[in-house]
Amino acid sequence: GQNIDQPTEMTATEGAIVQINCTYQTSGFNGLFWYQQHAGEAPTFLSYNVLDGLEEKGRFSSFLSRSKGYSYLLLKELQMKDSASYLCAAMDSNYQLIWGAGTKLIIKP
Amino acid sequence: DTGVSQNPRHKITKRGQNVTFRCDPISEHNRLYWYRQTLGQGPEFLTYFQNEAQLEKSRLLSDRFSAERPKGSFSTLEIQRTEQGDSAMYLCASSFHEGSPNEQFFGPGTRLTVL
Repeated sequence: GQNIDQPTEMTATEGAIVQINCTYQTSGFNGLFWYQQHAGEAPTFLSYNVLDGLEEKGRFSSFLSRSKGYSYLLLKELQMKDSASYLCAAMDSNYQLIWGAGTKLIIKP
Repeated sequence: DTGVSQNPRHKITKRGQNVTFRCDPISEHNRLYWYRQTLGQGPEFLTYFQNEAQLEKSRLLSDRFSAERPKGSFSTLEIQRTEQGDSAMYLCASSFHEGSPNEQFFGPGTRLTVL
């Protein structure tokens, strides 16, 4: 079957670094997406990885290991506005996104 | 273009009534997706279109749900004989697909409450 696992909730301190992990199992693989979703709003795109390695985009970085079925999202210099849910989604062989339940990130001052 | 839009933003209905939602995708996008999301969960795939063709529909979707994209532009999602379990956020997303993955852009969603 197809499955995405990520932690339900994480807490971090303003200014710190946090890593949100995601493991996936899909029928075929066409890449791994991370989205941010603030409460009551629609998801917004953060990153896409299809090759192994780290992609850096400002304060956010995303890593992929295809052999391990593993990805993480790294957030640096955390700000209060980063409090949101972070959704991991893997794209299967039919180019369909298989979504995780999301990780709720709580930032404390 | 201002992105994906959805109407209405909120809908309250009584059990047994029919409801219809509309999605206007980004104009050059050929793929349009419908998802349902409940609190604390990720989006649940419902169906998607490539241009006007409905290419896939979730096996979990009952026959009370139907979607159309008649001219390959806007889409409608209809739920007949609504049930309380249909209460959720209904999200529409669009993307441009030409053989390689592209990110999906989401609309603001329609929040449905069935009383």
